[in-house]
Order: sequence, then C-alpha cells, then structure tokens
Amino acid sequence: AQSVSQHNHHVILSEAASLELGCNYSYGGTVNLFWYVQYPGQHLQLLLKYFSGDPLVKGIKGFEAEFIKSKFSFNLRKPSVQWSDTAEYFCAVISNRDDKIIFGKGTRLHILP
Amino acid sequence: KAGVTQTPRYLIKTRGQQVTLSCSPISGHRSVSWYQQTPGQGLQFLFEYFSETQRNKGNFPGRFSGRQFSNSRSEMNVSTLELGDSALYLCASSWSGRADTGELFFGEGSRLTVL
Repeated sequence: AQSVSQHNHHVILSEAASLELGCNYSYGGTVNLFWYVQYPGQHLQLLLKYFSGDPLVKGIKGFEAEFIKSKFSFNLRKPSVQWSDTAEYFCAVISNRDDKIIFGKGTRLHILP
Repeated sequence: KAGVTQTPRYLIKTRGQQVTLSCSPISGHRSVSWYQQTPGQGLQFLFEYFSETQRNKGNFPGRFSGRQFSNSRSEMNVSTLELGDSALYLCASSWSGRADTGELFFGEGSRLTVL
C-alpha cells in the first residue's frame, strides 16, 4: 500500500540553523508531491509542490524541496530558519493511479529564539 | 474571497451518539475532501466528493459517511461514536481534486471530543 514516511517527528533548532526534513514515499508510479505547513492556531496551507520538470522546487518563505526519484524522496530544506517557522510540516503524495492523497504523520518544528 | 468554512468548530459528544459536520468550500471549487487529524496518526484521508459523487474513499469504517450538495457544500456524519473518534476533522476544497491540479485549501477544522 502507498505510504509516506516522515522520519523526524519533532525537531528543535536555533534561529539561523539550516533545516532538512525528510520525506520518503513508497509508491513507484507517477506521483505529485507536496509539503503543507500548519502554523500554530492556523489552518493547513501549501508550502510547495512538485508535478514535473526541475526536481528542485521553491516555495514560500524561502523553503525548497528536492525530488529524488531514485530514492523516492522529497526532502524539505531551508538554509536559515527563523522563529516564525515554528509549525508542523506535512509531506503528501498523490498518485496518478487513484487520486488519493496520502499524508505523512507530520514533523513538529520548534525554533528557539 | 472567503476561505473554506467548517461548522461547528468545537463539539462534545458521548459514546453511541452521532455527529454531523458541515463544510462550505471556496466559491467555484467543486471538490471537497475530508480528513481526520490525530496526534498519533497525522492526517488520514476519509473521502472526497466531486459534483455530488463520492470519488474516493479512505480506509475508515462505514460509520463514517458523507455527502455533497448541488452547491458543493458537504457534510460528513459519524454514527455510533467511539472514544477513538475524538479528533480534528478537516475539510479541504479544490477546483477539481484531480492529481494534476493538487493544491488543497483547508478549513480550520471541527474538533470533536467523544466522552
């Protein structure tokens, strides 16, 4: 069955540190990949997405993610985090076979001021 | 334009009761999908409706059901509530919901507590 794994459930960093959140998926066919973010007290919103083309995609607020097909990965990165990046981050996958979106269990990111 | 609106925002029920949650999508969006969010399981897909038809369904028991009206508003119903149904129920809308469009617009959720 299709699944999405986020390896880090809780990450704590200091401001200006670099960030990488891991995401791996199990489906081998054509997929569309997403990162969603949920800031404290706010609704989920799209951070970035990959459909095709350049495997390095850039999103809002300085975030980027790289799709590595051979590793079934779509890791989220940011070179220098800010306190306002404190949030929960969800990786998600839609396969072109069944249109069902599968979310990872999320990573809680806490940035120390 | 207005975002996705979910009502009620909070509710408390007891075991065995049933509950109905409502979702009004962004104007013009025809797809509405529902998710259960819990601390241990993250977001789990319940079902998706498009033009009043259920187009996709997750792996939840039959106690969980939904429907969509001609104005794209959607409701989900949970019957015979169990303690484990306590969760944040999220609704999301999109223009088509197909894999080639992707972006979901989420509401703030309905937080259900089952006692």
